[in-house]
Amino acid sequence: GAGVSQSPSNKVTEKGKDVELRCDPISGHTALYWYRQSLGQGLEFLIYFQGNSAPDKSGLPSDRFSAERTGGSVSTLTIQRTQQEDSAVYLCASSFKQGSLNQPQHFGDGTRLSIL
Amino acid sequence: QKEVEQNSGPLSVPEGAIASLNCTYSDRGSQSFFWYRQYSGKSPELIMSIYSNGDKEDGRFTAQLNKASQYVSLLIRDSQPSDSATYLCALKNQGGKLIFGQGTELSVKP
Repeated sequence: GAGVSQSPSNKVTEKGKDVELRCDPISGHTALYWYRQSLGQGLEFLIYFQGNSAPDKSGLPSDRFSAERTGGSVSTLTIQRTQQEDSAVYLCASSFKQGSLNQPQHFGDGTRLSIL
Repeated sequence: QKEVEQNSGPLSVPEGAIASLNCTYSDRGSQSFFWYRQYSGKSPELIMSIYSNGDKEDGRFTAQLNKASQYVSLLIRDSQPSDSATYLCALKNQGGKLIFGQGTELSVKP
């Protein structure tokens, strides 16, 4: 596709359940990022992947959060035993080579996660 | 100190006026700076990037960067109601990570 694709667009689940969020980056983009945005707040960095390098997981808020990127393309963000404070919009972005500092990121439309 | 700081606003300007959005940062090694626009309920959209000191103009938008003073700004000339949105300042720090400010809400009144 032409842009970053995220699914599902909306997810409502009960507290304690596990959720998986998917991101399909722009073709050819080697860097992939996950952010979280709570209502009325800025973007909180979670994790990024660059090619085959080990991901930077420094933004993950707890060990309930994990992410993987298969084949250098599609990424899945998993949240285990969800809590109400996990409710937010989860945004995925991709860009060309991370090492090229002047490469901007392009965002998907996000997944709006609501924990009941 | 936050890595990227912005006034949350809201900043209100009349239609046709110049809107001035400001951002300061703490990492002197930052080299790349970006302005994103985010409409309510939508994802951020890149509108400007700037890498060198000085001004960069693109249509009604002008980005200004001053590395010595560690600030970057965005000017919007002839503001339109459709410019009403939250504007996010972002930079890539020395570690290559993109860091966002909290955003400034802009309201352009007809």
